[in-house]
Amino acid sequence: AQSVTQLDSQVPVFEEAPVELRCNYSSSVSVYLFWYVQYPNQGLQLLLKYLSGSTLVKGINGFEAEFNKSQTSFHLRKPSVHISDTAEYFCAVSDVGTDSWGKLQFGAGTQVVVTP
Amino acid sequence: DTGVSQDPRHKITKRGQNVTFRCDPISEHNRLYWYRQTLGQGPEFLTYFQNEAQLEKSRLLSDRFSAERPKGSFSTLEIQRTEQGDSAMYLCASSPSQSYEQYFGPGTRLTVT
Repeated sequence: AQSVTQLDSQVPVFEEAPVELRCNYSSSVSVYLFWYVQYPNQGLQLLLKYLSGSTLVKGINGFEAEFNKSQTSFHLRKPSVHISDTAEYFCAVSDVGTDSWGKLQFGAGTQVVVTP
Repeated sequence: DTGVSQDPRHKITKRGQNVTFRCDPISEHNRLYWYRQTLGQGPEFLTYFQNEAQLEKSRLLSDRFSAERPKGSFSTLEIQRTEQGDSAMYLCASSPSQSYEQYFGPGTRLTVT
């Protein structure tokens, strides 16, 4: 069984400051990892994904994440945030190669609030 | 590419009534997923289809819930005898065959009074 833990429910940050959102997962099989962003009253938009290859992945809007297999983590970072980055961010995992491949297990989310 | 669409965007119903939601995936996406999101939580998987075949249903999907994808294109999610605990955002997502990347619709927000 999988589980995804987002360690911070809310992260306040000043505009132009860096931000890091933490995500840890557990799974008995190999996983693919994703970060999604949700703006108020909207669906989820994919920020970035890790499937294989380089453990540092870059996504849209200046976000990047690093996969750490030994620590089972996939933390999301942005070096300088904008007011428009205020949103809810979700980490998600999917089993690789099982009958349930593709199905996403989400964390509880981290609300990022950017202030001037 | 018009993206995944869902209808209605909002639904208010009284307890005990039946409701039906529709999801139109991105054209030619074989897989279609339904998730439920309650306030302050991440989306939870409900069910998914590969073309018209429903391949898995979550234990969250009680007997009052049924989903269909009759021609492998749009899908419907019906909730019978709604309860207040059914109040949530219902999200639909689609993906191309053999892809792990899902594209989400805007969701249908259900409020049961």
